[in-house]
Amino acid sequence: QSVLTQPPSVSGAPGQRVTISCTGSSSNIGTGYDVHWYQQFPGTAPKLLIYGNTNRPSGVPDRFSGSKSGTSASLAIIGLQADDEADYYCQSYDNNLRGAIFGGGTKLTVL
Amino acid sequence: QITLKESGPTLVKPTQTLTLTCSFSGFSLTSSGVGVGWIRQPPGKALEWLAFIYWDDDKSYRPSLKDRLTITKDTSKNQVVLTMTNMDPVDTGTYYCAHRPEIIMVQGVYHPFDYWGQGALVTVSS
Repeated sequence: QSVLTQPPSVSGAPGQRVTISCTGSSSNIGTGYDVHWYQQFPGTAPKLLIYGNTNRPSGVPDRFSGSKSGTSASLAIIGLQADDEADYYCQSYDNNLRGAIFGGGTKLTVL
Repeated sequence: QITLKESGPTLVKPTQTLTLTCSFSGFSLTSSGVGVGWIRQPPGKALEWLAFIYWDDDKSYRPSLKDRLTITKDTSKNQVVLTMTNMDPVDTGTYYCAHRPEIIMVQGVYHPFDYWGQGALVTVSS
């Protein structure tokens, strides 16, 4: 059971917008720790998608955006494309664990 | 260009000790703020952080595994080594090492895992 809670799955049609939530608590996101997002295709390593809640690394399309409020964060993807189909993970830091924490992951299906 | 690569055994027996090496290039573990982390992923499951080592040799471990984990670095070889004792079948999974920079921006200072190794699949079975 992950410290950060994500929906197991989300889906959308090509061109649509989807959001993936990441809910934490007062010992992690709620205490001010930043959230990062990763994209993972089957059989490959995760790739950094969003860091520091809202920042995109070089090369990540601006179709991907992140936000954070209170004890939660969200990843939004607009203009869905077939090759966005992947698993998405949020990550932060936790005071109790004194280390990095990940969400349980969300599988995005493009219909 | 930053690259990392994990190496180690693909199969270990229960109760044995696992030793994984992360060989990296493109950065130095002597640079202020830099760290390397180990993260694992059981088959079909979520990512799980295991350990960090930092430029100043500070270390941190997942509390539930702290008694079984040791992380060390060899800056002359650009390597980080993770050992996990008393392996169990539930420890089966892909083990990743990742670069953790210190990104300083006007808005804040951030520590994501920005570069990952390809992963090393470790199976624990007799």
